[in-house]
Amino acid sequence: EAGVAQSPRYKIIEKRQSVAFWCNPISGHATLYWYQQILGQGPKLLIQFQNNGVVDDSQLPKDRFSAERLKGVDSTLKIQPAKLEDSAVYLCASSFSADTQYFGPGTRLTVL
Amino acid sequence: AQSVTQLGSHVSVSEGALVLLRCNYSSSVPPYLFWYVQYPNQGLQLLLKYTSAATLVKGINGFEAEFKKSETSFHLTKPSAHMSDAAEYFCAVRHSGGSNYKLTFGKGTLLTVNP
Repeated sequence: EAGVAQSPRYKIIEKRQSVAFWCNPISGHATLYWYQQILGQGPKLLIQFQNNGVVDDSQLPKDRFSAERLKGVDSTLKIQPAKLEDSAVYLCASSFSADTQYFGPGTRLTVL
Repeated sequence: AQSVTQLGSHVSVSEGALVLLRCNYSSSVPPYLFWYVQYPNQGLQLLLKYTSAATLVKGINGFEAEFKKSETSFHLTKPSAHMSDAAEYFCAVRHSGGSNYKLTFGKGTLLTVNP
C-alpha cells in the first residue's frame, strides 16, 4: 500500500514570497490533515479536511495560509506571504475516519 | 482542552538498557493516546495506541506502554535498547467528540542510544 506522498521535500524561499505544498493521501482515506512542526516542538494541527470539507482550521493563520482539497483527494497548502517564523516542517497525514493517522515524509521550509 | 507533557527532552541510554520515556496527559474525558516515532528527515510512524481497551498496549519494535488513569500517565518502555531505536518520540492525545480527530502532541523526547 502506497503511503502519504508530499512534494517538494525541501523548499527555500525569501520572506514575503509565496510557496505551495502538495499532498496525496493514502487511497480511500477521507480525512486529511496538515500539521506544522517547528524545530524542537511537536507537530501542531493547521487544518483537518473530511472529504473536501473543513472540520478544524482554528490554528491556521488565515491571513497568510490557505489550504484546499477540491476533489476530496489530494490537497495543497499555500503560504502567501511567508514570514521568517514559518520556517518549519509541514507534515501531511491521512486517516480512515477516526482511525490511525498516517504521516507523509514532510516538506522542510526555510524562509530567509 | 486536552494536552500532553513529555518529561525530559533528551534521554540517553546504553545499548541493552531499559528505555523509559515519560508522558502525562490532561483530559476531561477518557483519552485516546498515541506514541509516534520520528527518524531524521522522515515523517511520524505510529508505535502504539491506547483506545480504552487493554491498559497495557504492545506496539512495534518491542515497545509497550501502560495507561494509568490514577497517574494520568502513558509512559513508553522497551526492555532492551537497540542502536536503531535512536530517534525522537512523541506522545499525543486525540481530540474527543464529533468528527474532529486532531492530535495534540507533546514536545518530544530525543532518545540517544550509546554503544
